[in-house]
Amino acid sequence: DGGITQSPKYLFRKEGQNVTLSCEQNLNHDAMYWYRQDPGQGLRLIYYSQIVNDFQKGDIAEGYSVSREKKESFPLTVTSAQKNPTAFYLCASSFSPRTNTEAFFGQGTRLTVV
Amino acid sequence: GESVGLHLPTLSVQEGDNSIINCAYSNSASDYFIWYKQESGKGPQFIIDIRSNMDKRQGQRVTVLLNKTVKHLSLQIAATQPGDSAVYFCAETSLRDMRFGAGTRLTVKP
Repeated sequence: DGGITQSPKYLFRKEGQNVTLSCEQNLNHDAMYWYRQDPGQGLRLIYYSQIVNDFQKGDIAEGYSVSREKKESFPLTVTSAQKNPTAFYLCASSFSPRTNTEAFFGQGTRLTVV
Repeated sequence: GESVGLHLPTLSVQEGDNSIINCAYSNSASDYFIWYKQESGKGPQFIIDIRSNMDKRQGQRVTVLLNKTVKHLSLQIAATQPGDSAVYFCAETSLRDMRFGAGTRLTVKP
């Protein structure tokens, strides 16, 4: 089945540690996105990538890093520089924005700092 | 379409009534718009989309209206059902990226 998969579903991190969230898609999508969602709030764009080996900062990129070495994969690293990392993280993918097609979302990773 | 620091507005409707959810978008260069439905603890799911060369599009029980003059989208849900209870987001897509509006929490009362 084609789809977009995020793992793990729940993740606990100690303060001061880096942690990497996985996002994989087999939809042959060019573009991939990472969003952060805090309780009772909307989605804020962290990073996005329209093509392999290229990515751009979104509105809240500080304390996060990404890579796009393969078309299928867009991992997000939450670094120790992110002051308040506890949140729900959502990954999405779509064909190029120029094609005007919808994005598909993973089921999210809930990150908690302990 | 950024929602920093905002809590979601809410809309409460009676089962069987029509619902109207509104969204203001920010980028006049956006040319494609999508409504998503998000249930608790899950990723958003596609409901309906509309391109900027249209002002109305209908699906099954849902209609999206686009007013580019005032940068406004609305989602109309006919005969709202308990299963429609969720958070609804609009998304605007430009050549660069996809950004979301603040979202609205819809609660359907039996």
